[in-house]
Amino acid sequence: SAVISQKPSRDICQRGTSLTIQCQVDSQVTMMFWYRQQPGQSLTLIATANQGSEATYESGFVIDKFPISRPNLTFSTLTVSNMSPEDSSIYLCSVRDAGANVLTFGAGSRLTVL
Amino acid sequence: DAKTTQPNSMESNEEEPVHLPCNHSTISGTDYIHWYRQLPSQGPEYVIHGLTSNVNNRMASLAIAEDRKSSTLILHRATLRDAAVYYCILRDVFYSGAGSYQLTFGKGTKLSVIP
Repeated sequence: SAVISQKPSRDICQRGTSLTIQCQVDSQVTMMFWYRQQPGQSLTLIATANQGSEATYESGFVIDKFPISRPNLTFSTLTVSNMSPEDSSIYLCSVRDAGANVLTFGAGSRLTVL
Repeated sequence: DAKTTQPNSMESNEEEPVHLPCNHSTISGTDYIHWYRQLPSQGPEYVIHGLTSNVNNRMASLAIAEDRKSSTLILHRATLRDAAVYYCILRDVFYSGAGSYQLTFGKGTKLSVIP
């Protein structure tokens, strides 16, 4: 299965700033997904990012707040803009393994906003 | 995606079998049953999936009821490393479009393994 590296693994940020999370995959993948996991909660899909097209956002998530880039088939970034303490969460990158009906997840980026 | 119901938490003794139940009474004929688990401080990892027949792999077994309205994930010998949140997720086998392969996670079952 694909191996995913996320950076940073954790960060502490100030209110009002922005942070970009990187997701690097060791193989080319078509489908890439960004999830959020708030403290003590389950995972919620933020958006789907496919190379060569605009990201598709789920209800409750907007591009101005969570801009996503997908420049090639092995890399994506998610930016959390104008952060508030409510954005403190783990952000996870996920890809669909080629030829399999399963998802592989990165270890996540734990973001704390003060 | 159809809804699943799982117990909030379960406990097991180390080296004993664990049966994690999942109810999905509104499952459709084309829904696959997927199980993922999330170890502490890690992203979810795939465990097993099936459609109608029972399935086995190196990690676990999946027993699916004949009417498909429930399923059970079986860990044959629990180890401390199996302590995690286990998610039962339904996913329609028919999907279209590049962006339609997302999974909807519920709250899952938190499994504690007692040494």
